[in-house]
Amino acid sequence: GAVVSQHPSRVICKSGTSVKIECRSLDFQATTMFWYRQFPKQSLMLMATSNEGSKATYEQGVEKDKFLINHASLTLSTLTVTSAHPEDSSFYICSAGPGLANNEQFFGPGTRLTVL
Amino acid sequence: DAKTTQPTSMDCAEGRAANLPCNHSTISGNEYVYWYRQIHSQGPQYIIHGLKNNETNEMASLIITEDRKSSTLILPHATLRDTAVYYCIVRGHNAGNMLTFGGGTRLMVKP
Repeated sequence: GAVVSQHPSRVICKSGTSVKIECRSLDFQATTMFWYRQFPKQSLMLMATSNEGSKATYEQGVEKDKFLINHASLTLSTLTVTSAHPEDSSFYICSAGPGLANNEQFFGPGTRLTVL
Repeated sequence: DAKTTQPTSMDCAEGRAANLPCNHSTISGNEYVYWYRQIHSQGPQYIIHGLKNNETNEMASLIITEDRKSSTLILPHATLRDTAVYYCIVRGHNAGNMLTFGGGTRLMVKP
């Protein structure tokens, strides 16, 4: 299947700093990417939809000024957590589509963010 | 997306078939049934999807009832590496449609 990468895989930062997470589709072009957040023992929650060349669409309750999304090319979307706080500690996962033939979403391996 | 209902957890003996049920009684005519799984601390992995016909690939089989209100994912010979949370999701067949994850079924494959 298609490959989606994320970088970094884990990051630890101090409260108040900003953290950038990259999501790349390695062998296909992705017009749409999705960003999810997963707290311990919970399911994935969609944060925002990232569309190449246009503004991201955020889910209700997700602060767009805190979680900055940039989808500057068909293979790269970035999520920047600005002024991170301990409650932002979570597992952040991106997915990319369209897929090769069946329109399934391909997920990245996730980024574990820990804010001290 | 239509809501799905899955058992919270299931156990399966290694080497035996794992049958994971999913109810999606409010599915609409143009929505597909997708199955993903998530191994601990990894991103979800696509398994299979279908509309109304049964589907099979190298990973699993998907059996969808004739009225499309429920489906079953079958792992024919479960291994320890199949221990994961399995998510049943219904969505329109368009790459722009996001995936809405429910609680999923935590499958534990035991030796």
